[in-house]
Amino acid sequence: GAVVSQHPSRVICKSGTSVKIECRSLDFQATTMFWYRQFPKQSLMLMATSNEGSKATYEQGVEKDKFLINHASLTLSTLTVTSAHPEDSSFYICSAIETISPDTQYFGPGTRLTVL
Amino acid sequence: ELKVEQNPLFLSMQEGKNYTIYCNYSTTSDRLYWYRQDPGKSLESLFVLLSNGAVKQEGRLMASLDTKARLSTLHITAAVHDLSATYFCAVHNAGNMLTFGGGTRLMVKP
Repeated sequence: GAVVSQHPSRVICKSGTSVKIECRSLDFQATTMFWYRQFPKQSLMLMATSNEGSKATYEQGVEKDKFLINHASLTLSTLTVTSAHPEDSSFYICSAIETISPDTQYFGPGTRLTVL
Repeated sequence: ELKVEQNPLFLSMQEGKNYTIYCNYSTTSDRLYWYRQDPGKSLESLFVLLSNGAVKQEGRLMASLDTKARLSTLHITAAVHDLSATYFCAVHNAGNMLTFGGGTRLMVKP
């Protein structure tokens, strides 16, 4: 089956620094990728839709200047959390849709971000 | 705006018992998904339901969809401890987006 990887799986950073999270589709091309955020014991909330070669579409309430998304190729999307603060600590999960078969989202393993 | 509600949010049950998790959604959709999430892990796909009356079964889990009632159920038969996890339903939106329910945290006790 289709595999999505995320890197890093876990990151701890100091307040005010920036952190980049990568999401890769390993064996398929993904025109569209999604970024979700999940706080402890809560559901997944969609942050943004990332389309290859164009600007990301952010959900209401998500600061696009704080959460920079780049989808430069059909297999890679990156999420950069800029000037991170403790309230940005969360589990970030990406998903990807296969270009030729958009019925299913394949989820990455997630990245646990802790901002001190 | 699509809203997806799951209930119960928390379920503690004995091994061997049966129970049903409900997922209601507010607007028409052509697809509904069920996922399992273990602590600290990402989502594992369980079922995708594509049409009214669809029923899918895998082991002790069975999912069904009633698009007219905008309701999906996830039925657990003769629960075992290994089924302890959080279960999410998710409804397909325009643009291939998913809206997730709040999740049901299932704890199966020996």
